Amino acid sequence: QVQLVQSGGEVKKPGASVKVSCKASGYTFASYGFTWVRQAPGQGLEWVGWISPNNANANYAQKFRGRVTMTIDTSTSTAYMELRSLRSDDTAVYYCARKSRSYDPLTGYYGQYYFDYWGQGTLVTVSS
Amino acid sequence: QSVLTQPPSVSAAPGQKVTISCSGSSSNIGNNDVSWYQQLPGTAPKLLIYDNNKRPSGIPDRFSGSKSGTSATLVITGLQTGDEADYHCETWDSSLTVGVFGGGTKLTVL
Repeated sequence: QVQLVQSGGEVKKPGASVKVSCKASGYTFASYGFTWVRQAPGQGLEWVGWISPNNANANYAQKFRGRVTMTIDTSTSTAYMELRSLRSDDTAVYYCARKSRSYDPLTGYYGQYYFDYWGQGTLVTVSS
Repeated sequence: QSVLTQPPSVSAAPGQKVTISCSGSSSNIGNNDVSWYQQLPGTAPKLLIYDNNKRPSGIPDRFSGSKSGTSATLVITGLQTGDEADYHCETWDSSLTVGVFGGGTKLTVL
């Protein structure tokens, strides 16, 4: 069965960096990309960005550009998200999720990406 | 402020039906498919609906989705206490070139 297992919680000081890992199993790793989503305490979900399975294409939300880097290590079936220059408002649970989309062979149409499997989440706490 | 607008909370009695709306614009819902996620307390989100109205295997047909214009709707029938959760809509925004979520709706089964 498909599983995404994330690294443990982190406590960081403002200005530091954090790197969260997401190890995948149970499917052909190279066939799917990843998205990263965060959720601040008591808040909704926020899209951080996504990366294609071969590292060729990463897309980050504007508010994170310059501070975030997403990578994939196919040798270990692991996705990573690094966030730099941490601030207190970066305190949140960070989730990785597998990107999927439907395909209709009759029309050749690809549907919109959706996120079919999720990691358990990693709490990143930024505090002085 | 979320790009997609959901009601903060909805409630209904066990066995009843509830509708959760997700309102957007032509740059997101109007031109892209919507997915819905269920987040039980203290857990990660779970895919409920994709491509506006498709259910992954294992999701009961009590859950259904639809889209019309710049709005999407999640309907849950035959409510159970185990349905108490936060529900989030999501789609792509072609102008912002990012994925966007609604603010989430907390469902209470009275």
